[in-house]
This record gives sequence, C-alpha cells and structure tokens, in this order.
Amino acid sequence: ILNVEQSPQSLHVQEGDSTNFTCSFPSSNFYALHWHRWETAKSPEALFVMTLNGDEKKKGRISATLNTKEGYSYLYIKGSQPEDSATYLCAPTNYGGATNKLIFGTGTLLAVQP
Amino acid sequence: DGGITQSPKYLFRKEGQNVTLSCEQNLNHDAMYWYRQDPGQGLRLIYYSQIVNDFQKGDIAEGYSVSREKKESFPLTVTSAQKNPTAFYLCASSMQGAGTYEQDFGPGTRLTVT
Repeated sequence: ILNVEQSPQSLHVQEGDSTNFTCSFPSSNFYALHWHRWETAKSPEALFVMTLNGDEKKKGRISATLNTKEGYSYLYIKGSQPEDSATYLCAPTNYGGATNKLIFGTGTLLAVQP
Repeated sequence: DGGITQSPKYLFRKEGQNVTLSCEQNLNHDAMYWYRQDPGQGLRLIYYSQIVNDFQKGDIAEGYSVSREKKESFPLTVTSAQKNPTAFYLCASSMQGAGTYEQDFGPGTRLTVT
C-alpha cells in the first residue's frame, strides 16, 4: 500500500495570495497521480490526472507539477479567491495491471479569507 | 445532466441491522468504486468493479458486500459484521479502471449506526 503524505494539513491565506501544497508518494512503480478538490457539502471534483515526469497541467488559476523520480507533486493556486476554499486531495496509483487503485492522502484544507 | 447519485444523504440504523447504500450513474462508466471517509484519514477503498457482474475487494472490504448487476448501479451493503460502520460513504465511477481516467464522485451518504 502506498504511503501518501500531503502538506500542510491546513492553510489559511488572504484573498489574492498565491499558495502551493505538496503531495509526496513512493516513486517506485508509479503509474498516475490524481488531484481532486473537495468543497464542503459537495462531491469531490477531479482537477488533474498526471502521468509523465515533469508534466505540468493547468486549469484556470490552478496548476500542478509532477516529479515521479523523487515522488512528489505540487499544486499551485495563483491569486486565491474565497471560492477556492476546499480540501485538496491527491491520490497516486501504482501500476497494478488492469485496475490501478488510487490511494488518497488526507488532504490539504485551504481557507481563503476575503 | 450526467452524474452520480447516492441516496439517501443521511441514514440512521440500529446496531445489528444490515443497510444498503445506493449508487447510480448515468455517465456510461465501466468502473465503479466505494470509498469510506473517517475523520483524519484519507478516502479508503472498500470495493470496486470494472465491469458488470464482476467486483473486487479494496483495502477495507471486511463487513461489506456489493453487487453489480447493471452497469449503472453499484449498491453497497453494510452488514452487521462491520465493526465500525458509522462513516461517510462515497461512490465514484470512471470510464475504465486503469488509473489514468478521472474519477467522478457522488455526493455521499453519511451513515450513523447506534
């Protein structure tokens, strides 16, 4: 079973601040990494699925990078807005054949104050 | 609108009773998953199914059972053998179970057993 660590556990920023969080995972047998955003009282929403070392993906003000050799991914939010307040989950998966199970970290809780 | 529905949102049961949580999707996804969330822990995989009439145990399957008689439906039964059934349960689906496809989540069911 993968050991997934996300840091920090929680983060409080002011509106307009840029911020980033980290997801660490064992690099051996890496297959893919998922990022989800989970707002209170809503379903988790898929942000990115990343597979290639050095990959960078972007969706609006949110971007993510991936380093499979050292086993980490960063999620960046530029100019945080109150609507970005959510828990951000990462979930890597090792190659396991036809079905690759996601192992979720405990998440980073972001609170953006207006 | 395509999506995943889970009902009910809140469920209360007495200890010793079996209870079935429903999950329906109209996304035409082949793979479906059940996760459990407990405070301070990441989402943990209970069961998953890649195709109709087939399913596999996840990391915490003891005390749970599932069926996949239709592509759209993946109900989860929490049996009396589950020692700590009170939790938040999330159902998810993806196009395939290969790990490189986004997982879409339902709104969840909060089960309380007293």
